Order: sequence, then C-alpha cells, then structure tokens
Amino acid sequence: GENVEQHPSTLSVQEGDSAVIKCTYSDSASNYFPWYKQELGKRPQLIIDIRSNVGEKKDQRIAVTLNKTAKHFSLHITETQPEDSAVYFCAASNTGNQFYFGTGTSLTVIP
Amino acid sequence: SAVISQKPSRDICQRGTSLTIQCQVDSQVTMMFWYRQQPGQSLTLIATANQGSEATYESGFVIDKFPISRPNLTFSTLTVSNMSPEDSSIYLCSVSPPGRDGYTFGSGTRLTVV
Repeated sequence: GENVEQHPSTLSVQEGDSAVIKCTYSDSASNYFPWYKQELGKRPQLIIDIRSNVGEKKDQRIAVTLNKTAKHFSLHITETQPEDSAVYFCAASNTGNQFYFGTGTSLTVIP
Repeated sequence: SAVISQKPSRDICQRGTSLTIQCQVDSQVTMMFWYRQQPGQSLTLIATANQGSEATYESGFVIDKFPISRPNLTFSTLTVSNMSPEDSSIYLCSVSPPGRDGYTFGSGTRLTVV
C-alpha cells in the first residue's frame, strides 16, 4: 500500500516568513495530493490540492509543488500569519477515494 | 460541499463496553470512510464503507472489533467493541463528495475509555 512520509514534524517561523513542508510517497500510481489544515480541536480542512498532471498550483499565499519523478510534493506558505498556526497533513491517493496521510507538521507562527 | 453530522461528539466509556458512532451526510455518496486519530498523531484509515456490501478494512483493523453498517447512501455507523484504554482516540468519518476533490470530514468523536 501507499506510504506517505512528512517532514518536519514541527516548524516554527516568524510572522511574515515562509514555511515549507515536504512529503514523499511510495506508490507511483498515486495521482492526487491534497493538503489539510487541522486547528486544535477541529476537523481537518482541505486547503489546496494538486493532481499528477500539474507541477505547481498556487492559491494566494499557499502553493503546492509536485515532482512525480522523485515522488515528492511540498506545501509552501508565504507571508505567514499567526492564524496559519495549525497542524498540516499531506495525503496521497490513486483512486480519488482512499487517502493515505502523512504524519503531520505542527506549524507555529510567532508574532 | 457535503455536510456531515457526526455524533456523539465525545464520550467517556467503561472498558469492555461498546460505543456506536453515527455519521449522516446531507447528500448521497458511494463511499464513506472511517478514520482514527490518536492524540497528536496522523489520521489512520480504519475501513471503507460501501452501501450494500461489507466494509473493507485496512491492515490492523478487523470487523469484530470495528463493525460498520452502511444501510443507505447517506448514513453509516462505526462501533468500537469491547473497548480498552488503547481505543481512546478521535474517530472521524469522511466522504469524497461527487464532483469535488478531496475529503469532507465529520466533526469527530472524542472517545475516552477508562
């Protein structure tokens, strides 16, 4: 089955700086890669996603890049704000239904 | 996007008992998914619930421990049976709504077994 690794497990940045979270996956058949943000005590929420036919996708301060050859994808958050503090999970899927999640990154943005 | 109602939101249970968690979706979906999230950990897929057939369980999860029902296209239940403190966790249901990528999650059930 699919195995998704995520790094770093914790990340602290100063407000206004950028944050980068990286994931690797094992199943070359995976073709859909969403990112979820989970605030304390709340459910995970989809923030951005990318399909395997695209190398990069951007939505305001958030971007995701995908390297299919190397089987890794990354989340980039620019101009970080305190409300970006949360746990972020990457995931991979080859069916569009079953998702396998990374281990999570706890991001703290220091005002 | 789909709206999922999950209940109970939390419960404290005695070891050896069972708890049934319910998820109701406001639209018809083919598959519903049950996840476990242990404190400070990632989300682990327990099983996929299909309407009209037995659920498909991931490695490490068995039907006797986590029986699942899926009586129609908008509802599913997960039962945590013969509970032990190791079952203390957050349980989440999720769906992949038609025409929309990604999951929508229920609000989760925080289970504590004492």
